[in-house]
Order: sequence, then structure tokens, then C-alpha cells
Amino acid sequence: GNSVTQMEGPVTLSEEAFLTINCTYTATGYPSLFWYVQYPGEGLQLLLKATKADDKGSNKGFEATYRKETTSFHLEKGSVQVSDSAVYFCALSEGGGFKTIFGAGTRLFVKA
Amino acid sequence: DAGITQSPRHKVTETGTPVTLRCHQTENHRYMYWYRQDPGHGLRLIHYSYGVKDTDKGEVSDGYSVSRSKTEDFLLTLESATSSQTSVYFCAISDSLAGGINNEQFFGPGTRLTVL
Repeated sequence: GNSVTQMEGPVTLSEEAFLTINCTYTATGYPSLFWYVQYPGEGLQLLLKATKADDKGSNKGFEATYRKETTSFHLEKGSVQVSDSAVYFCALSEGGGFKTIFGAGTRLFVKA
Repeated sequence: DAGITQSPRHKVTETGTPVTLRCHQTENHRYMYWYRQDPGHGLRLIHYSYGVKDTDKGEVSDGYSVSRSKTEDFLLTLESATSSQTSVYFCAISDSLAGGINNEQFFGPGTRLTVL
């Protein structure tokens, strides 16, 4: 079946450091890939997405590239801020389907 | 922000009592979902709905039932709450697009349920 594996946290970084959160997936078809972010006390919200191989999703300085050859969708940001402290979820949705499978989440702490 | 509300936002109940959580949307989206969020497990799908009166089970449906009598409301019921159902519950919605399905989901603020 389909699955998503992302790096365990927490990840602790200093402000302005480079961020990478690894995500790999298993899927039978051609899924859409997503990163969602959850700030404390809130629900998840979409951060970025990519719908086909080699697409790059980007938003708020975050980027992720859909790599079919390595079945990966790693999240990166060049310079993190304290306000980026949150839990980040990698997710996939099979093409044409409406159900989404989420990874376990990676908590990010950014220190001033 | 998508118009999704959940009620109650917090609830403490005792083992064996029935509990109903409500999700209400003002977006007229077709699909609605209930997830539970637990440490180390991410989000797990409990039940989902693909239209009024059309529902199906997710991966952790045991002990839960749902109903959707109107497009805007999706109810999750714990028939007899157990301590293992202590969790944070999230409702989500998504919609169709012409020629396909928009599988981006929008989430409510969550309900924290504690079963003593």
C-alpha cells in the first residue's frame, strides 16, 4: 500500500540556519505530494504541493522537488526564522483519488 | 481561511459514555474527513464522506461511527468512549475540480478529547 516516511524529530536549529526535512514515499501510481504545516494549537494547513515528477512546490521560502527516481519530496528552506517553529507533515494523494496519507510529522524548533 | 468549525473544542468524558463531535463547513465542499492525531502516528483517517449519506471507513474506524445528513455537517460518534480514544480529532474537507479531484485538504481547528 501507499506510505510516507519522514525523518523523526525534533529538529532544533538556530535562526537563519538551513533546513532540510527528508520525506520518502511508496505509491503504486503517480501521486500528488504535499507538505502541510501545523502551528501550535491549530489544524494543518497546506504549505506547498507538487503534482508530477520534477515539479517544484514553493511557498514562504520553503521548497520541495518531486523526485520520482528517488521517490522523495524533501522540504528545504535557506534561512529559518523563529516563526517557522511548527510540526511539518509530508503527505501523498494518489492521482485521481481524494484520500491523503500523512507521514508521522517532524517537529521543528528554531532558536533565536 | 476555509470556513470549517469543530465543536466542542475541548471535552473531557468518562469511559463508557457516548460522545459526538461535530464538523461544520461553509465551503460547500463535497468530501469530508475525520482524522485523529496521536504522537508518533501523525494523522490517521477514521472515516470519510464523499457526499450526503455517503460514508466509508478509514484505517482506524473501530469504535467510531459517522453521519452526514447535510453537505455542511459531518458528525463523528464514539458509541462508548474508551481511554484509547483520547486524542486530538481533526475534521478536513476537500472538493472536486472540473475534470478531476482537488486533493488539497483544508483542516478545522481540532477537538481535544480526553476519556478518563
